[in-house]
Amino acid sequence: DQQVKQNSPSLSVQEGRISILNCDYTNSMFDYFLWYKKYPAEGPTFLISISSIKDKNEDGRFTVFLNKSAKHLSLHIVPSQPGDSAVYFCAGLNNAGNMLTFGGGTRLMVKP
Amino acid sequence: NAGVTQTPKFQVLKTGQSMTLQCAQDMNHNSMYWYRQDPGMGLRLIYYSASEGTTDKGEVPNGYNVSRLNKREFSLRLESAAPSQTSVYFCASSVGQGVWHEQFFGPGTRLTVL
Repeated sequence: DQQVKQNSPSLSVQEGRISILNCDYTNSMFDYFLWYKKYPAEGPTFLISISSIKDKNEDGRFTVFLNKSAKHLSLHIVPSQPGDSAVYFCAGLNNAGNMLTFGGGTRLMVKP
Repeated sequence: NAGVTQTPKFQVLKTGQSMTLQCAQDMNHNSMYWYRQDPGMGLRLIYYSASEGTTDKGEVPNGYNVSRLNKREFSLRLESAAPSQTSVYFCASSVGQGVWHEQFFGPGTRLTVL
């Protein structure tokens, strides 16, 4: 049973518009959530994170929103750029801080 | 500063063969991790090492062994490879464990077991 789900395998948006990537989780013991970005033939790189005690975290063009009651988080990218085209993974960190559980990823394509 | 390096980049094995995947980091990180990525499954933790001299099982440890050789190096061994172990394997490291310690990933090893 997947504890972290990204229900949209792919998303296509126009350059300059907003990209919204969604993530649902079932484990209420997650203490922290992270988003990673992955280009082909490379390892994932850390993008942005949010603590379970917050509902929003912003870093430049990237904002992550957390709705604990709905067990849902989303990543907003504004404005989207072609270089943002990649696979995005959300992950939950357990409260022991030693295990990340990843979603299946969403492939974002930003068209020029 | 190379970050996290993995060797080999690609490997093809026959069922029953053994091999060791190597991982090294030059960031003086304490914690190291091994993940596998399968299509649509995200990354799943195989084993991790919180600090030199310690190793612990992750979500999918069956069929694998690990060795934390020193602070820099963390290897993953498949004793008797099976087709179900066909995957992309990523090594990662972090300063420590806990919510503030993001993980840095290597480029991955693509393994095919025939």
